[in-house]
Amino acid sequence: SQQGEEDPQALSIQEGENATMNCSYKTSINNLQWYRQNSGRGLVHLILIRSNEREKHSGRLRVTLDTSKKSSSLLITASRAADTASYFCEAGTSYGKLTFGQGTILTVHP
Amino acid sequence: EAGVAQSPRYKIIEKRQSVAFWCNPISGHATLYWYQQILGQGPKLLIQFQNNGVVDDSQLPKDRFSAERLKGVDSTLKIQPAKLEDSAVYLCASTERESGNTIYFGEGSWLTVV
Repeated sequence: SQQGEEDPQALSIQEGENATMNCSYKTSINNLQWYRQNSGRGLVHLILIRSNEREKHSGRLRVTLDTSKKSSSLLITASRAADTASYFCEAGTSYGKLTFGQGTILTVHP
Repeated sequence: EAGVAQSPRYKIIEKRQSVAFWCNPISGHATLYWYQQILGQGPKLLIQFQNNGVVDDSQLPKDRFSAERLKGVDSTLKIQPAKLEDSAVYLCASTERESGNTIYFGEGSWLTVV
């Protein structure tokens, strides 16, 4: 199975600042996905990047993928208090098997 | 489009009692997952179904946990007997097929074992 490992474990920023979190994985992947989890809720899919893509944008989200370093980063620009949540990455192979790391806890202060 | 439905939302039981959680995935989703998420940790995969067959249950504590998806639609996860360390959120998720598709999660069932 593939496991994404996120860092930092916790990130605290002010509203309006950018937040960057990273994900590392161990072997070859087909795609990598990022999820958000608000306290007490289920995970919400944010963005998927395929192994042949290097960068992808969705609104205020920017995801990069470096397959040579087996790493990905998620950038949230102009953060808002509502972005406060835990963020998880999941590195997928062709045979599925979703596994997650511990996540990055992002706190955005108003 | 209706999301992944789970029930009950919250459950408190005493240790050694049993509990069952129900999940109804998004219509047409062949793959269904059950995860256990202990507070402060990431979700841990317990079992994965493809239609009504088990793809992976390597991390399911089979001495006390069981899950079924008899008609390839909804699923139940049972714990019997429960232990204190089973206190967690149990998340159900589904997707159209195993890989490369968006995974949709339910809101989770919170279990407290006292």
